[in-house]
Amino acid sequence: QQPVQSPQAVILREGEDAVINCSSSKALYSVHWYRQKHGEAPVFLMILLKGGEQKGHDKISASFNEKKQQSSLYLTASQLSYSGTYFCGTERDNYGQNFVFGPGTRLSVLP
Amino acid sequence: DTEVTQTPKHLVMGMTNKKSLKCEQHMGHRAMYWYKQKAKKPPELMFVYSYEKLSINESVPSRFSPECPNSSLLNLHLHALQPEDSALYLCASSQDLALAQPQHFGDGTRLSIL
Repeated sequence: QQPVQSPQAVILREGEDAVINCSSSKALYSVHWYRQKHGEAPVFLMILLKGGEQKGHDKISASFNEKKQQSSLYLTASQLSYSGTYFCGTERDNYGQNFVFGPGTRLSVLP
Repeated sequence: DTEVTQTPKHLVMGMTNKKSLKCEQHMGHRAMYWYKQKAKKPPELMFVYSYEKLSINESVPSRFSPECPNSSLLNLHLHALQPEDSALYLCASSQDLALAQPQHFGDGTRLSIL
């Protein structure tokens, strides 16, 4: 079952912050985050595991609220290079099964 | 540059043609994936190979035929495709099919069916 992402699209000025949410009605084992720039391959950002955790590198971080089955991706002090479509991908407890991408959030960072 | 290499980058074919898409990785990964991506949509999983055996087939029409000749190579054979099959075809690999494995994607093959 495909997770839900919000917002569908967001436009920022350089230096502004953004939050992208990913939620599921099913119990999840993990949430993956990927960024895809136009005409390029999706690039892995990070994985959050059930149990509730927070991760980050540079100015991009994420959290996973197991109680709500929701993950949030935080982009702080956004840079032009952050532009692209962000997909979450979710896994349930079956090995290799049921990995599915969300519909994506299109992020545009303007100068 | 990605560590998963796909060829060709672009392919135009007629509905009666037979062609193949190729994917190669040298990261020692034992799981390999084919995805189909339409414009402004997320990648949709088609097939998954684990240790060179087909593990998942997401009810893909038989005009798409995957093959995994060895642990580094993945092919997708195409025959009698329809115009709606025009899309970006992405290959990905991961360490294995254990949970929480990041997937590494190739740049894709952009396929157009005339």
